[in-house]
Amino acid sequence: DIQMTQSPSSLSASVGDRVTITCRASQDISNYLLWFQQKPGTAPKSLIYAASSLQSGVPSRFSGSASGTDFTLTINNLQPEDFATYYCQQYKNYPFTFGGGTEVEIK
Amino acid sequence: QITLKESGPTLVKPTQTLTLTCTFSGFSLSTTGVAVAWIRQPPGKALEWLALIYWDDDKRYSPSLRSRLTITKDTSRNQVVLTLTNIDPVDTATYFCTHRKSGSSGPEKYFDLWGRGTLVTVSS
Repeated sequence: DIQMTQSPSSLSASVGDRVTITCRASQDISNYLLWFQQKPGTAPKSLIYAASSLQSGVPSRFSGSASGTDFTLTINNLQPEDFATYYCQQYKNYPFTFGGGTEVEIK
Repeated sequence: QITLKESGPTLVKPTQTLTLTCTFSGFSLSTTGVAVAWIRQPPGKALEWLALIYWDDDKRYSPSLRSRLTITKDTSRNQVVLTLTNIDPVDTATYFCTHRKSGSSGPEKYFDLWGRGTLVTVSS
């Protein structure tokens, strides 16, 4: 299985901050990388697909980038509704695997 | 508008078989390229991908759970059913279903929409 190592596991930030979350794949996954947001009791929300493409309807303060097997989710100008847990997922090879998650908390 | 909703028992006894249903709307599982997957998340733990079924009835399973899982679809009822046999307390989790877009290229065939999940507790 492809291992997805996500960091940090949690972070504290303030409204207006820029936040960066990273995911490293244990082998080449090209750009088959999805970022999504999860809030308790609600459906997960996909944000970025193909490593850097913004899902329709997602605010442009969310962006993704890739360098080899390293992937980054950036949230600019953090908003109150962005406090949540974020996950990466590779969908290149079965079984599709997830990072461990990053909880973004209010500082 | 695509929606997905998971349903099934909230409490299951060990050794029983768990049957979960994903009822969806806004798309057809007979459309080329479309798929539906199941994922679970034990309380406070990581997400685990379980199974996926394609429009053409091709299926993929998590290798670690393959012997216990079955995924099927009922295109006329817009449902995907997941069964997990010989259930154990470690199977306690929130189970999600998700829609995979058909997309024009590989990376564009991603999981774009999710259900809210259903919590299943395994206990005697």
